[in-house]
Amino acid sequence: GQQVMQIPQYQHVQEGEDFTTYCNSSTTLSNIQWYKQRPGGHPVFLIQLVKSGEVKKQKRLTFQFGEAKKNSSLHITATQTTDVGTYFCAAYKAAGNKLTFGGGTRVLVKP
Amino acid sequence: DAGVTQSPTHLIKTRGQQVTLRCSPKSGHDTVSWYQQALGQGPQFIFQYYEEEERQRGNFPDRFSGHQFPNYSSELNVNALLLGDSALYLCASSLRGGNNEKLFFGSGTQLSVL
Repeated sequence: GQQVMQIPQYQHVQEGEDFTTYCNSSTTLSNIQWYKQRPGGHPVFLIQLVKSGEVKKQKRLTFQFGEAKKNSSLHITATQTTDVGTYFCAAYKAAGNKLTFGGGTRVLVKP
Repeated sequence: DAGVTQSPTHLIKTRGQQVTLRCSPKSGHDTVSWYQQALGQGPQFIFQYYEEEERQRGNFPDRFSGHQFPNYSSELNVNALLLGDSALYLCASSLRGGNNEKLFFGSGTQLSVL
């Protein structure tokens, strides 16, 4: 099964509103990565979080790694139509080279 | 600087046939990972190749095999195709494939099994 679980599976957002998507693991993660896949496209790396409690920002996107390194969140402010796509979190197991992806949150933006 | 390239982009096969997908990693990368992405799902790890050897494998049957060449390019072979093998097959490259490496994905091969 998947190492990381994402909620919600779908997110319908009014343009201009904020939303948050969450990624949870039952085990402690060494790091966590986030990717975005546009419709019909391929996953594109957004960011990696490594430290407990780490927060990183990319313009309107804020990424956070939980204190216990078992969860992460992505918060998008003032959603735009360009934010449409599926956002995946992904994590490596402590002693492996396999990057495991969550099921993704599919974001639809209503203009 | 060429990114990850995959061929073909689309492929239609029938049950029982065999297929070979190809991938050239990003310039400077030496590690190739293959993923299967069913419609509406997250990418599922098939295996990773480094130094021409399969270094790690996901929960896929032996019908799925691969190869890495000295120039770091890679092939994914699937034998005895099943309807359930229909998916987008993604190749991702990285440097050394360590557990803190970000992956660069190709555009994928869309495989349809009829």
